[in-house]
Amino acid sequence: GQSLEQPSEVTAVEGAIVQINCTYQTSGFYGLSWYQQHDGGAPTFLSYNGLDGLEETGRFSSFLSRSDSYGYLLLQELQMKDSASYFCAVPSFSGGYQKVTFGTGTKLQVIP
Amino acid sequence: DTEVTQTPKHLVMGMTNKKSLKCEQHMGHRAMYWYKQKAKKPPELMFVYSYEKLSINESVPSRFSPECPNSSLLNLHLHALQPEDSALYLCASSQDWQGNSPLHFGNGTRLTVT
Repeated sequence: GQSLEQPSEVTAVEGAIVQINCTYQTSGFYGLSWYQQHDGGAPTFLSYNGLDGLEETGRFSSFLSRSDSYGYLLLQELQMKDSASYFCAVPSFSGGYQKVTFGTGTKLQVIP
Repeated sequence: DTEVTQTPKHLVMGMTNKKSLKCEQHMGHRAMYWYKQKAKKPPELMFVYSYEKLSINESVPSRFSPECPNSSLLNLHLHALQPEDSALYLCASSQDWQGNSPLHFGNGTRLTVT
């Protein structure tokens, strides 16, 4: 099965940088994705790392280390609207079809 | 706004009722999913459809019955639910089933079973 662990809550100040970690144990590994979900809203895709290293998309960056079974999401220049839950996720395959398993989730609170 | 539309947004039903949740996407995606999300928890996969065929059933109780009438529509039929089935039900689609194919979620149906 798949197991992805994240810190449950993180608080950071507006304008600062915050890192949200994800450690995983999977049977087969194909990459690590990140999703954002505001309260009452839909999860939205942020990034995907298929290879080791850093992927940058605007204020958000995501990092993967396959050897350490570890990844993180880095949010820079935090804004109040970044207050949300963040989930790491991994695809796996059953009978050739993709299923995506989500991590435990991190609730980020951005304070003034 | 999302490109995956779910109706209704809210649903309250008794344990003896029969109701259906509906999901629609017009992005030409070939895979569609039902997820269940309890408060403060991650989404949990229920079903996967690919090319309108049920591909994955995560051992979901038979009181939940999915249906995919065509490539754009996905339904979830509900019957004889229990109060513990109260949750946010999320529909998602993806272009295909490659590992880097992101899921596009609808805003969900918030279900309360009384």
